[in-house]
Amino acid sequence: DTEVTQTPKHLVMGMTNKKSLKCEQHMGHRAMYWYKQKAKKPPELMFVYSYEKLSINESVPSRFSPECPNSSLLNLHLHALQPEDSALYLCASSPVAGIYEQFFGPGTRLTVL
Amino acid sequence: QKEVEQNSGPLSVPEGAIASLNCTYSDRVSQSFFWYRQYSGKSPELIMSIYSNGDKEDGRFTAQLNKASQYVSLLIRDSQPSDSATYLCAVNRGGTSYGKLTFGQGTILTVHP
Repeated sequence: DTEVTQTPKHLVMGMTNKKSLKCEQHMGHRAMYWYKQKAKKPPELMFVYSYEKLSINESVPSRFSPECPNSSLLNLHLHALQPEDSALYLCASSPVAGIYEQFFGPGTRLTVL
Repeated sequence: QKEVEQNSGPLSVPEGAIASLNCTYSDRVSQSFFWYRQYSGKSPELIMSIYSNGDKEDGRFTAQLNKASQYVSLLIRDSQPSDSATYLCAVNRGGTSYGKLTFGQGTILTVHP
């Protein structure tokens, strides 16, 4: 199974809401990533988890809080977001955190009102 | 200078022709290179990876890497209308970057019948 799944597909939230994005992979990969993609722009890295530990935080605001409960799951907790946070949020995984291929999930389209 | 630059598009080719997509990168220690295809509204899909100098072929796709020139390209032979998409070049510098992919801005390819 070479698939990364993400839920929900679409999410609309107000600036005072708390929500979570979920990502799951069953490829036995030990590195997982969150990327953010704005319209007509390339993906930008937010976080890297390696062996369930946070390895990279690309200076992401604290209103985004990642969590890696186990090697297959990755969550992104959202709180007090701004309209400019509206974007496609992509999860990816790779065998380990290094130079290897990364496989993306379908993404969650987030709209902040 | 941008870390990863792609030839400006959009690129339009007739069906059956060869499409040539180019990418340059600034960090000489970069170790792995990827081409992703992204259809409108969808997530990036990995189509080619290349790690060493030379050519790598997979079906209608050929990736070429020249580390001395810091240049990577993608050739699509016998282009089909279904190849119409945005193509993203991504570079991984390895080492302590923990798998961070840096993307170019993307090249929009249109294959017309």
